[in-house]
Amino acid sequence: AQSVTQLDSHVSVSEGTPVLLRCNYSSSYSPSLFWYVQHPNKGLQLLLKYTSAATLVKGINGFEAEFKKSETSFHLTKPSAHMSDAAEYFCVVSAARMGEYGNKLVFGAGTILRVKS
Amino acid sequence: SAVISQKPSRDICQRGTSLTIQCQVDSQVTMMFWYRQQPGQSLTLIATANQGSEATYESGFVIDKFPISRPNLTFSTLTVSNMSPEDSSIYLCSVDYSGETSGEQYFGPGTRLTVT
Repeated sequence: AQSVTQLDSHVSVSEGTPVLLRCNYSSSYSPSLFWYVQHPNKGLQLLLKYTSAATLVKGINGFEAEFKKSETSFHLTKPSAHMSDAAEYFCVVSAARMGEYGNKLVFGAGTILRVKS
Repeated sequence: SAVISQKPSRDICQRGTSLTIQCQVDSQVTMMFWYRQQPGQSLTLIATANQGSEATYESGFVIDKFPISRPNLTFSTLTVSNMSPEDSSIYLCSVDYSGETSGEQYFGPGTRLTVT
């Protein structure tokens, strides 16, 4: 079965400093992994996805994540935080099996990112 | 990407009543999903709704409590039946619009339900 562990429930950074949101996954086979962001009172937005292509994935708003199979990790990073990055971030693994699509997503517990001015 | 709308955006309901939430997509999609996000928590999948077949429910969710309709490829409803305060949550629909094997999904804005 697939599962996701987000190692920090809250992360606080100063504006202009790097962001690191940590995620470890468990999967029976090669997973698809995603990061979604949820701003207050707004819907979920896909930041980036990993689907067995390049292990370093670039997303929107300057975010990127690196898939490390040996560490079963998919940490989200950004070189320089902006005030608008303050939101809740979810690491997600797809339960999709090879050759199928549209299977359920398993969400991590979420990490709330606070950006201080 | 898909444009997904939900109605209502929020509601306050009395316990014991039922609420039907609508999800409309701007293009035809095979697979739609319903999630619940309880206060301060992550998202949990309630069920998968495919057009032309019965919805598939996840462990802990039953059809009598959360009946789902999927009359066509652009629309679905979720009903929260016989509500109690524990049903206060945000309910979200999503679609797999990409058609890829990755399972990438796009989400509606959510329906914020408060049960008093």
